[in-house]
Amino acid sequence: KQEVTQIPAALSVPEGENLVLNCSFTDSAIYNLQWFRQDPGKGLTSLLLIQSSQREQTSGRLNASLDKSSGRSTLYIAASQPGDSATYLCAVRRSGGYQKVTFGTGTKLQVIP
Amino acid sequence: GAGVSQSPRYKVAKRGQDVALRCDPISGHVSLFWYQQALGQGPEFLTYFQNEAQLDKSGLPSDRFFAERPEGSVSTLKIQRTQQEDSAVYLCASSPTGGKQPQHFGDGTRLSIL
Repeated sequence: KQEVTQIPAALSVPEGENLVLNCSFTDSAIYNLQWFRQDPGKGLTSLLLIQSSQREQTSGRLNASLDKSSGRSTLYIAASQPGDSATYLCAVRRSGGYQKVTFGTGTKLQVIP
Repeated sequence: GAGVSQSPRYKVAKRGQDVALRCDPISGHVSLFWYQQALGQGPEFLTYFQNEAQLDKSGLPSDRFFAERPEGSVSTLKIQRTQQEDSAVYLCASSPTGGKQPQHFGDGTRLSIL
């Protein structure tokens, strides 16, 4: 059974800092990995999607990397802003067969002005 | 609309009542997913549809949970004889086709069982 862990569970940083969020998974037979952000009382907003054959994806100040063999992904946020405050979730889709996705428990980020 | 729409946004029910939660996916999206999210946790997979076919229902916690998508668009998640542990946010997501496409989520239905 796939297990997805995110460390740290919560993070508080001053505005302007660069930061890294970590995601690890136990089964490396994945199809892709997706990073989301979730604002309080809202659904999930997709940030980046990395296919299993890719090493990284970039969008603006965000960069996500994937090391499938070691079961790890990182989300790098450059020059953090208060608007980045949210919970960040990684989700792993298994390879083969159905589309089942396993989520981590998230990292709650607070960026202090 | 442009996004995934879920209704109602909030639902309060007494223990033992039946509830029905609705999901309108993005028009033309083939894949539809239901998730259950407990407070402070990540979403847990419930079930997956490809068009009208329910291909995976392994995440449904009990036979009190039932999902359908009869015409391959709107989906309904039904919970019979609700219990307090059913209290959670129920999220719906859709994607255009298969696994290479990102999932687009609705804002969820917050279900509270008294």
